[in-house]
Amino acid sequence: DAGITQSPRHKVTETGTPVTLRCHQTENHRYMYWYRQDPGHGLRLIHYSYGVKDTDKGEVSDGYSVSRSKTEDFLLTLESATSSQTSVYFCATRTGTNYGYTFGSGTRLTVV
Amino acid sequence: EDQVTQSPEALRLQEGESSSLNCSYTVSGLRGLFWYRQDPGKGPEFLFTLYSAGEEKEKERLKATLTKKESFLHITAPKPEDSATYLCAVQTSGGSNYKLTFGKGTLLTVNP
Repeated sequence: DAGITQSPRHKVTETGTPVTLRCHQTENHRYMYWYRQDPGHGLRLIHYSYGVKDTDKGEVSDGYSVSRSKTEDFLLTLESATSSQTSVYFCATRTGTNYGYTFGSGTRLTVV
Repeated sequence: EDQVTQSPEALRLQEGESSSLNCSYTVSGLRGLFWYRQDPGKGPEFLFTLYSAGEEKEKERLKATLTKKESFLHITAPKPEDSATYLCAVQTSGGSNYKLTFGKGTLLTVNP
């Protein structure tokens, strides 16, 4: 997916544990995004970053935090996982005015 | 609040039967409207970007159009391999930062 790697691809975790998802890009893009995708809701923005150490909240940010210490890495942390955070998580980069956004392959997270 | 509504939620066509998908939007400061295709288990894949009313883009059997309130994705003589979920998204800007807001998608099934 055009230089975006998400890890892990699948994860099962227990309620109450912290979880960190990683997004790595090789294209040096400034903007990076975390979305979650759920049936009946579509893709919803969790957090985004517009530069190293510059981040902002999206529409469903409660229970999530992010960090971006390097251009290429954008981390999403679930402070204390809950069953409502079971979802598929997608990372994306803004690849330019005419080419929209490029998405990773997703991380399927199950909280039991 | 930015809103994107896609219809229908699901569409089943016979091979060769042309149709259209709709994306209506309510946003302040539209910076672009995007169409994506998403196959099961994968991230969204970029199709088109439209910027101004009257603009049209084509790719193989797909044609996207834009008005001031909605966009259409026309599918001409579809084939089974066109089966996928089609997502519409609008890019807005809050200051200098760019965000994508997605509709819930239309699940297209093309039967042979």
